[in-house]
Amino acid sequence: EVQLVESGGGLIQPGGSLRLSCAASGFIVSTNYMNWVRQAPGKGLEWVSFIYSGNNTYYGDSVKGRFTISRDSAKNTVYLQMNSLRAEDTAVYYCARDDGYMDVWGKGTAVTVSS
Amino acid sequence: QPVLTQPSSHSASSGASVRLTCMLSSGFSVGDFWIRWYQQKPGNPPRYLLYYHSDSNKGQGSGVPSRFSGSNDASANAGILRISGLQPEDEADYYCGTWHSNSKTRVFGGGTKLTVL
Repeated sequence: EVQLVESGGGLIQPGGSLRLSCAASGFIVSTNYMNWVRQAPGKGLEWVSFIYSGNNTYYGDSVKGRFTISRDSAKNTVYLQMNSLRAEDTAVYYCARDDGYMDVWGKGTAVTVSS
Repeated sequence: QPVLTQPSSHSASSGASVRLTCMLSSGFSVGDFWIRWYQQKPGNPPRYLLYYHSDSNKGQGSGVPSRFSGSNDASANAGILRISGLQPEDEADYYCGTWHSNSKTRVFGGGTKLTVL
C-alpha cells in the first residue's frame, strides 16, 4: 500500500528548531518529487517546499532561508528541517508525493510555535 | 508565479450542478497551465481529484467519480471544477493548484467551501 506517515511535530518556542519526518511505504522516495505543504488553523493550503531528482530543492518565499528539505534513500524518508521558527509557522504539515499532481498525502503532523 | 483566486464559499442544492472557479492573476494565461483540483473534508488531508489543461490533456484521480470534471474558461482566465449531481458527501473545501514551469514552485488557491443544501 502506498502510504506517507509524518512525525516530529509538537510545541516549540519562537526561534526554535524542529525536524519533521515523512516515512514512505509502497514507493521509492528518491525517484519521486516530494512536497511539504502546510495548513494554518482554519486557513487554506500553503506549499512549503519540494525536492526532486538528485537533491534539487525549491522553497516558498515565507520559509526560504529557514527551512531545508532533504531525503534519506536508505530510510525512504523525507525530512523538513525548520529553523528560526515563528508564530506564523504554526500549522499542520503534510508531505505529499508529486507526480505532476499531489496524488498521495500523509495525515499530517501539527506544529505549534508559541511561548 | 501566478496567484490563484477562488471564491471563499459556494452553496448549491443536492442534485444540482456547480462550477467552482480558479482565476489566474493578470499576466498569466490559464491555457498555459495545468490546473489541479483537490478536495478536503474536515480533519482529513486533501484528496487529489483531477487535473485539466485541455480537452486532450486531462486526467482523473484514482477512484474519483466522473461527475467531477475540469475545464477552462478562457474569457474569465479561470480553471473550472464542475460537480454534477451534487451529493451531501461533496460538502468540503476545494482547492485548485498549479506550478510554474519556469520557477517550478507550486501554488494553491485560497480554497472554496462548498455547502450542499
